[in-house]
This record gives sequence, C-alpha cells and structure tokens, in this order.
Amino acid sequence: DSGVTQTPKHLITATGQRVTLRCSPRSGDLSVYWYQQSLDQGLQFLIQYYNGEERAKGNILERFSAQQFPDLHSELNLSSLELGDSALYFCASSVVEGNGYTFGSGTRLTVV
Amino acid sequence: AQSVTQLGSHVSVSEGALVLLRCNYSSSVPPYLFWYVQYPNQGLQLLLKYTTGATLVKGINGFEAEFKKSETSFHLTKPSAHMSDAAEYFCAVNHGSSNTGKLIFGQGTTLQVKP
Repeated sequence: DSGVTQTPKHLITATGQRVTLRCSPRSGDLSVYWYQQSLDQGLQFLIQYYNGEERAKGNILERFSAQQFPDLHSELNLSSLELGDSALYFCASSVVEGNGYTFGSGTRLTVV
Repeated sequence: AQSVTQLGSHVSVSEGALVLLRCNYSSSVPPYLFWYVQYPNQGLQLLLKYTTGATLVKGINGFEAEFKKSETSFHLTKPSAHMSDAAEYFCAVNHGSSNTGKLIFGQGTTLQVKP
C-alpha cells in the first residue's frame, strides 16, 4: 500500500457520460498530480494541484477538469466521454515538489 | 523543453545476467532524474532518483543508475537479473529548478527475464 488511495479501481461507462475519479494523497502530502496512461500515448501529465491551488497543467482536454479540496483529496472529472478516453488514470502525491512522488494504484476507465 | 528517450521498448535477459536499461534526457537546466517500475495491474513505484551530489545512485531491489551529464544519460543497471524483475520500467525527468513537481516520462521499457 503506497498510501495514495484511488477510487474506484475499475469503471465501465458509455460514450457521452461523465465520471468522477477520486484520489486521497498520502498523509502530509500537499501536492496531487494526475496522469493518464494509455498504450499509444504512454504516461501523460494532466494536471497538478498544490494545497488547493492549480499549479501546473499538461495535456488535459477541456472536457476534463479537476480540483483539490480543503482536506487535500482531489477529484478528476471526465465528461462527454469518448472511446479514446479509455485508459488508466493515476494519481500521485508528494511533500516536496521536484523530488519524485508516490503513485496510487490507478483507476482503469473503459468507455464502451 | 524537457524530454526523455528510452532506448528499446523491450529488453530480454536471462536470469542471472546483467540488466541494462537505457535512458537519455534533454534538459536545458540541471535535471532531477528518476526511475520507476510498474508491475502488471499496479501503480508506479520509485526505484531511485538523482537530484544533486553523487552521480551513482543506488535504489531498491539491487538497481543502480549513473548520471552522466556529458552523455545526457541516466542508464539503469542491475548486476544479476531475477525473475521478479520482469516489469515495465520508466525513466522520468523533472526541471530541477521548477516550482512544480511535474515529471516527464519516457515511453517505458518492458523487461523480460528468461529462466
């Protein structure tokens, strides 16, 4: 157990739907990162939050959004889902930025 | 812009043989470098990292990597492969002086260990 908790572990949904992925960082970690892992794109950085504020943005689609709450958990919202959004979505957290981070076990999203 | 290139998407070694996974990076400033391992159906686990100081870095499970600035490389090695080392390995770079922790990952190398 890495200490980073992601729920749900698996999610199957239809095209056009909206889903929410949840991440609880390790105790004491202020930064949360979201990554998408797919066979064709590899690991792509989506977005980072630090203590509730957006810190960095990567290749995140406009249909996707995220937030970090006062208790530091984070949610990634994916809407108007397409088949190509099927992927593993990882959350990671860190205490100190730039020093590497700890990953959760991921949410596998399947869009049918 | 930073980037990472992992040479060889698949590497196959015999049990007990040397493991060498290659990683080259591109960065305009001193980088922080990382190796992660991913076992099937699991998240990524940090193997080792280089930030500053000694260029030979030792990690978990007997792995080590050497930062070579002149070659812009950070290759991962292990003297003797074990069956349990079979997994996917990712090299990553961070802008060392950045105010974010964003990591840029390579495409990954799948290590196969043959008995």
